[in-house]
Amino acid sequence: ETGVTQTPRHLVMGMTNKKSLKCEQHLGHNAMYWYKQSAKKPLELMFVYSLEERVENNSVPSRFSPECPNSSHLFLHLHTLQPEDSALYLCASSQEWGGGEQFFGPGTRLTVL
Amino acid sequence: GDSVTQMEGPVTLSEEAFLTINCTYTATGYPSLFWYVQYPGEGLQLLLKATKADDKGSNKGFEATYRKETTSFHLEKGSVQVSDSAVYFCALKGSGAGSYQLTFGKGTKLSVIP
Repeated sequence: ETGVTQTPRHLVMGMTNKKSLKCEQHLGHNAMYWYKQSAKKPLELMFVYSLEERVENNSVPSRFSPECPNSSHLFLHLHTLQPEDSALYLCASSQEWGGGEQFFGPGTRLTVL
Repeated sequence: GDSVTQMEGPVTLSEEAFLTINCTYTATGYPSLFWYVQYPGEGLQLLLKATKADDKGSNKGFEATYRKETTSFHLEKGSVQVSDSAVYFCALKGSGAGSYQLTFGKGTKLSVIP
């Protein structure tokens, strides 16, 4: 595998389910990001992680819970989601913290019923 | 705060037509500017970038010039192809210490017809 991979590519879940999105980067980068992409809205940065720092967008609901066990993996744990959380969730990585050159995965298309 | 405004789409062009997608920004200091492209079913890819005023970024026939006086970074291509059909995002990264966030525009969908 090369670049940034995300699994699953598609996910349908009910509002009471618990699921997790997985992201893995094979680039040796030091920072990883979760974005939410909704129709007709700018990309929304949800979380930024490196081994030394972590930033969370305060507007992200607590039903989204990130986990970064090492510099190559990033998870997004989901529980009791709402239909308005349906979106494309993109993972990205960059060489340095806050780098402008970010490498994106293909995304997970999430549908909440 | 920082913001990016890009022209609303969708934009539909015939093959070999000239493309311009406008992008203007609001930021303090000297941000870095980027164009990302998203092909159907894929994540975003960096298309080009410019890090200081009057820099021109270029890649795959696309160009954009960092114009500080007009706070703009318009994307151009002289002759588009069907394979250029995608969504294009203008973005900036602030120059402040500790700046970690890319600010994106809403995206402009381009469709090129044969």
